[in-house]
Amino acid sequence: GDSVTQMEGPVTLSEEACLTINCTYTATGYPSLFWYVQYPGEGLQLLLKATKADDKGSNKGFEATYRKETTSFHLEKGSVQVSDSAVYFCALTQNSGYALNFGKGTSLLVTP
Amino acid sequence: NAGVTQTPKFQVLKTGQSMTLQCAQDMNHEYMSWYRQDPGMGLRLIHYSVGAGITDQGEVPNGYNVSRSTTEDFPLRLLSAAPSQTSVYFCASSPLRATDTQYFGPGTRLTVL
Repeated sequence: GDSVTQMEGPVTLSEEACLTINCTYTATGYPSLFWYVQYPGEGLQLLLKATKADDKGSNKGFEATYRKETTSFHLEKGSVQVSDSAVYFCALTQNSGYALNFGKGTSLLVTP
Repeated sequence: NAGVTQTPKFQVLKTGQSMTLQCAQDMNHEYMSWYRQDPGMGLRLIHYSVGAGITDQGEVPNGYNVSRSTTEDFPLRLLSAAPSQTSVYFCASSPLRATDTQYFGPGTRLTVL
């Protein structure tokens, strides 16, 4: 079945450092790919998404590119802020499907 | 708009008790779902609904019941609580399906003793 694997955390960075959180997937066809973010004490919210190969999703300085050849959707940000401290989830769904498959989440802590 | 609301925020049950977790949305979304979040496991889908009167099982449905009598409400029932059901439960909704942006509620933290 479809699945998502993302790097384990926690990841600790200093403010203004570069961030990469790796995400790879196993799925048939061309699923839609997502990054959701969970701030402390809150529910998840969509950060960005991509629906076809080579699409780049972006939001709030974060980017991720849908790479079919490497089955990856790595999350990147050039300069992180303390307010980016959260848990980040990679997820996929088939375009005709009704279920999101989530990775286990990667906790990010950004220190001043 | 209130978005997706969940009640209660916290709940403690004893093994064998039953209860209902409430979920409501005011965005006229057709698709609603329930997930549980456990440490190191990410989110796992329990049940989902694609419209009033239509529900289906997700990855971990055992021990849970759902119904969808209105577009707005999607309650999750624990029939006989077990310690393995200790978790944080999230309800989510979207316009039509899982490919749409999911809007999550704030969660219910459930402890079963």
